[in-house]
Amino acid sequence: AQSVSQHNHHVILSEAASLELGCNYSYGGTVNLFWYVQYPGQHLQLLLKYFSGDPLVKGIKGFEAEFIKSKFSFNLRKPSVQWSDTAEYFCAVNAGKAAGNKLTFGGGTRVLVKP
Amino acid sequence: DTAVSQTPKYLVTQMGNDKSIKCEQNLGHDTMYWYKQDSKKFLKIMFSYNNKELIINETVPNRFSPKSPDKAHLNLHINSLELGDSAVYFCASSPRGLAGGPGFGDTQYFGPGTRLTVL
Repeated sequence: AQSVSQHNHHVILSEAASLELGCNYSYGGTVNLFWYVQYPGQHLQLLLKYFSGDPLVKGIKGFEAEFIKSKFSFNLRKPSVQWSDTAEYFCAVNAGKAAGNKLTFGGGTRVLVKP
Repeated sequence: DTAVSQTPKYLVTQMGNDKSIKCEQNLGHDTMYWYKQDSKKFLKIMFSYNNKELIINETVPNRFSPKSPDKAHLNLHINSLELGDSAVYFCASSPRGLAGGPGFGDTQYFGPGTRLTVL
């Protein structure tokens, strides 16, 4: 069965600092990978996704993520965060039909950006 | 122009009651989902329907019964509510969701959530 782990539960940083959130998954086959963001009191929104091709994926709001197949990782990065990036970030994986074609989420990382 | 909508947004009820949450998507998607997000923000899939057919049924008590009258709607009915059912329930939809080849796993679009509180 596929599983996803996010290393940090809470991250606190100041505006303009760089952000990197770790995500590892466990599944040996082909996967599709996603990062979703949940702003306070809001629903989940897609930040970016990887299906195939260039392992460095650029998303909205200046976020990017790099798929490293050998490490089963899909870490999220942003060079310079803003106060408005305060949110919960979720990594998710879909291993397709062989794994039930369901989206499995990591436990989330709560990011607090101090002004 | 809400793509995925849920009603109600908040639901407060007593233990033992039966309640329903409704979900509608106007994206023309084939697949719809229900997720439960617990107090620790952990998100877990409960059900998935593709064109009104149940596809995914995770280990969920049978007090939870999804119903899909058409592919644009997926409602969640909960019988005999328990304290542990308190959570935020998210509906989602995706264009296909079931293709097994490259490009499978379409992006899922989430609704605003329904916060259920069982007293």
